[in-house]
Order: sequence, then structure tokens, then C-alpha cells
Amino acid sequence: QKEVEQDPGPLSVPEGAIVSLNCTYSNSAFQYFMWYRQYSRKGPELLMYTYSSGNKEDGRFTAQVDKSSKYISLFIRDSQPSDSATYLCASPGTMATSGTYKYIFGTGTRLKVLA
Amino acid sequence: DGGITQSPKYLFRKEGQNVTLSCEQNLNHDAMYWYRQDPGQGLRLIYYSQIVNDFQKGDIAEGYSVSREKKESFPLTVTSAQKNPTAFYLCASSKGVYSGNEQFFGPGTRLTVL
Repeated sequence: QKEVEQDPGPLSVPEGAIVSLNCTYSNSAFQYFMWYRQYSRKGPELLMYTYSSGNKEDGRFTAQVDKSSKYISLFIRDSQPSDSATYLCASPGTMATSGTYKYIFGTGTRLKVLA
Repeated sequence: DGGITQSPKYLFRKEGQNVTLSCEQNLNHDAMYWYRQDPGQGLRLIYYSQIVNDFQKGDIAEGYSVSREKKESFPLTVTSAQKNPTAFYLCASSKGVYSGNEQFFGPGTRLTVL
């Protein structure tokens, strides 16, 4: 089992829809989570950085963490064609004995917002 | 503007050649990373560095080498020993490997072996 998993999609929605992107993680010790947006042939862009449980909102984007079910979500309100991209969830994971964090990424969900 | 730059954007390599990918950051971050991205496989960690003159192997270090002579720079060399080097290479940085901070990425270099 991968430590962070997400459905690869593609997910197609009409413009203006609310989009829900989801990931599950396997290690209950994970505390921090990130969502990235990656356009084709570009580097990932950090959208949200969240800690533990609860919601964090930034404009049209809301990140939600449910530690009890090890589930993280990204909601996009009023989706636009410019939101069409691949969305990656990630976590720094847990600190290794060396004192380092090895970031763990989901494989990404491809989103298409249709005009 | 602070950020991470990678060059070149596209790189073509002949079989048996070594090539070096550049990564520079002006975020004053201590930690830097190299990832490889292949379709359907997500990001795989090649090497990472916590401080200058120190670096560790990631999950797929074979056929790659790095150096960290300056805090701002973390070049990656793809050697001829790397059997399947065609991929999208991403450099990233964070404030510190020990702190689990946000990680920021550069624009990437697409390497193609001819």
C-alpha cells in the first residue's frame, strides 16, 4: 500500500461546479499536508499547506483534513477552465531517525473543467 | 522575486553522455531536492541535501550524482549509467529537511535521450 494514494482521474466537470479532490494516507503519524497544482509540462505550484485536522480556506480553495479516517480533500468552488491541471497531494511524512523528512506524494488527479 | 530556477528547460542527450541539470534558489532555503517525474508514477526522490557539502541518496539515486558547494545551487548530473533517463526532472527546496516545511518546486527540465 502506498503511503499517500489518490485517484488518477481524469475528472471532468462543467465550469462553475464545485470540485472535490481526495487523497488517503496510511500513517496516522502524518501531521502536515500539502496540495499542489501542476499544469502540463510545468513544475508543481503549492496551493495549500495544512496541519492536522480541520479546514483551511484560501479564496476558492478549501483544504480539509480528517485524521480519524486518514482522508484529505481539496475543494474548488466556482471552478474555471484555468483550474484544469493535475492536483497532487503530499505530506512531509514522519521524521526518520536521521532527523530528515522524506516528502511523500500522491500520483496526482487530472482535472478538466469544461467551458 | 524569490524562487527556484532550473535550466535548461529542454535537454537532449545522446546515449553514453553525461549531462548536468542546473538548479538555483534565492529563497535562502537550507534543503534542496531532486525528483524525477514519469507519467503515472508520481514524483520519485533522487537526491536531497540538508546543508552545504552534504547530500543523501533518495529512492532512485543509481545513475545520478549531485553536488552542493553553495547554499543556492544543487546541480544534478545524469550519468551514462542511468539506463532510462528520459523524464521530467524537478528541483525543489524547503526551509529545512528537519522541519517538514512546505516544499517549493522549480519549473522543471525535460530530458530526452536520443
